[in-house]
Amino acid sequence: KQEVTQIPAALSVPEGENLVLNCSFTDSAIYNLQWFRQDPGKGLTSLLLIQSSQREQTSGRLNASLDKSSGRSTLYIAASQPGDSATYLCAVAGATNKLIFGTGTLLAVQP
Amino acid sequence: DAGVIQSPRHEVTEMGQEVTLRCKPISGHNSLFWYRQTMMRGLELLIYFNNNVPIDDSGMPEDRFSAKMPNASFSTLKIQPSEPRDSAVYFCASRLGGGTHEQYFGPGTRLTVT
Repeated sequence: KQEVTQIPAALSVPEGENLVLNCSFTDSAIYNLQWFRQDPGKGLTSLLLIQSSQREQTSGRLNASLDKSSGRSTLYIAASQPGDSATYLCAVAGATNKLIFGTGTLLAVQP
Repeated sequence: DAGVIQSPRHEVTEMGQEVTLRCKPISGHNSLFWYRQTMMRGLELLIYFNNNVPIDDSGMPEDRFSAKMPNASFSTLKIQPSEPRDSAVYFCASRLGGGTHEQYFGPGTRLTVT
């Protein structure tokens, strides 16, 4: 059974700092890994999708990496801003077509 | 495109009442997913449809829960009778194509059962 873990559960950083969020999964047989952002009381916004054959994806200040063999992904946020404050979720999709979610990292960027 | 649309956004009901949540997927998407989010269990997949056909409903917690997709542009999730432990945020998501593609989420319905 696929299990997805995110560390840390919460993170507080000063504005301008670069930061890394971690995601690990137990079954390396995945189709892709998706990073989402969730603002309080809102839905999920897709940030980046990495296919199983890819090593990384970039969008603006965000860079996500994938190491399928070790069951790990990282989300790197450069030059963090207060507007980046949110919960970040990673999710993996496998042969069952289901997205299995991690428990999330609550990020607070202090101005 | 308006994205995935869900209604209502908030629902408060009394225990024992029937609740119906609605979802309109992104036009052209052929897969639709219903999720539930709680503090205790995080985000869980309840059921998903492919081309309007239920493919996997193993996440549906009990027979009180049922979902339908009568056509490509509409789906419902029904709880009858509702119980306080059903209180959660219910999300609908849609996807174009197979498992390698992104899922796009709606804003969710916050359900409170008193």
